[in-house]
Amino acid sequence: EAQVTQNPRYLITVTGKKLTVTCSQNMNHEYMSWYRQDPGLGLRQIYYSMNVEVTDKGDVPEGYKVSRKEKRNFPLILESPSPNQTSLYFCASSLNNKGSYEQYFGPGTRLTVT
Amino acid sequence: GESVGLHLPTLSVQEGDNSIINCAYSNSASDYFIWYKQESGKGPQFIIDIRSNMDKRQGQRVTVLLNKTVKHLSLQIAATQPGDSAVYFCAENRGTSGSRLTFGEGTQLTVNP
Repeated sequence: EAQVTQNPRYLITVTGKKLTVTCSQNMNHEYMSWYRQDPGLGLRQIYYSMNVEVTDKGDVPEGYKVSRKEKRNFPLILESPSPNQTSLYFCASSLNNKGSYEQYFGPGTRLTVT
Repeated sequence: GESVGLHLPTLSVQEGDNSIINCAYSNSASDYFIWYKQESGKGPQFIIDIRSNMDKRQGQRVTVLLNKTVKHLSLQIAATQPGDSAVYFCAENRGTSGSRLTFGEGTQLTVNP
């Protein structure tokens, strides 16, 4: 089944404890992206990657890191999480052909930082 | 500044009626727009998209209309069903190859039986 998977789905952590949220897609998509979703603010892009070893900042990159060492994986790293990073996180991927830029979203990771 | 927003945060319709969800955008240079549906506890799911060189595009029970003159986008859902209850987001593309989607805040559609 074609899908985007994220792990973990739920995470409660403490301020300053490094964490990684994994994202994997099995559709051979070139493009991948991370978003956070907060009430009243909608989905905001954190980082995106056009291909392996090519990453760029989105609208809210502060406090996050990403890497794209292989096509299928795009982990999101929080080196020193803070309470304002409590949010619902979504990973997405896209084939990115010229006809459509449809992004396929993962199920989400709900992160709470205390 | 650049933004994509929705006129109404909630919309309630009767089953079988047609629904219209609106979206206003401010970036006249945006070349691509997309509608997503998000059910409770799930990630957004693609509904339909439209490029800026089109005014209308139809899918299965859904139609997207684009009015570039007033920078307005709408999603029409025909014969709305209870399974259509969800939050609907519009998004505009600001980057190359669909890389920078800006999402609106969403409209909660509730379908009453």
